Amino acid sequence: NAGVTQTPKFQVLKTGQSMTLQCAQDMNHEYMSWYRQDPGMGLRLIHYSVGAGITDQGEVPNGYNVSRSTTEDFPLRLLSAAPSQTSVYFCASSRGRLRSPLHFGNGTRLTVT
Amino acid sequence: GIQVEQSPPDLILQEGANSTLRCNFSDSVNNLQWFHQNPWGQLINLFYIPSGTKQNGRLSATTVATERYSLLYISSSQTTDSGVYFCGLTGNTPLVFGKGTRLSVIA
Repeated sequence: NAGVTQTPKFQVLKTGQSMTLQCAQDMNHEYMSWYRQDPGMGLRLIHYSVGAGITDQGEVPNGYNVSRSTTEDFPLRLLSAAPSQTSVYFCASSRGRLRSPLHFGNGTRLTVT
Repeated sequence: GIQVEQSPPDLILQEGANSTLRCNFSDSVNNLQWFHQNPWGQLINLFYIPSGTKQNGRLSATTVATERYSLLYISSSQTTDSGVYFCGLTGNTPLVFGKGTRLSVIA
């Protein structure tokens, strides 16, 4: 099992560019989520999904879009990158939202100049 | 939403020492988990422990949900234990995290 796979590992964008961070899991997990990690701020939830076709906002959703067309994939889109979006992004999945262990991908380090 | 507070924020240990990390939370929870972020940035799930005690090798965790805290014990610490330890929990909202305890184990 690959678990949770994130691509790319590193990315540099210029302000205003758009891109998609990819996340895929092969554990048939219903719940998937995106977090960003900034120094001194811990992990903050951006968006999450409790199943295909269902998404919801987390603590810091502005500037990001998500969709969930399949159980396996949960891409995160930056529509117009800003320097404030420089961060490390983690995708995570679990069997259910409330009572299941959460499994993380290895992260994507994004720099916006 | 749920407030999560971890202590201490930083901890330096000599190899072989024991330590206790604490996670306090403000509301009843359905789900409490401990994670280790290693120096390479990977987040590893250590325990899923909404209540009670669990052990895995040199690590153990206890959650007392009625008193709204959880403890992570590390015995006979090794340099590979270095990194940041996070607790994460859900009530009626998705998993939220504390700001972590940064552990440095010195040989």
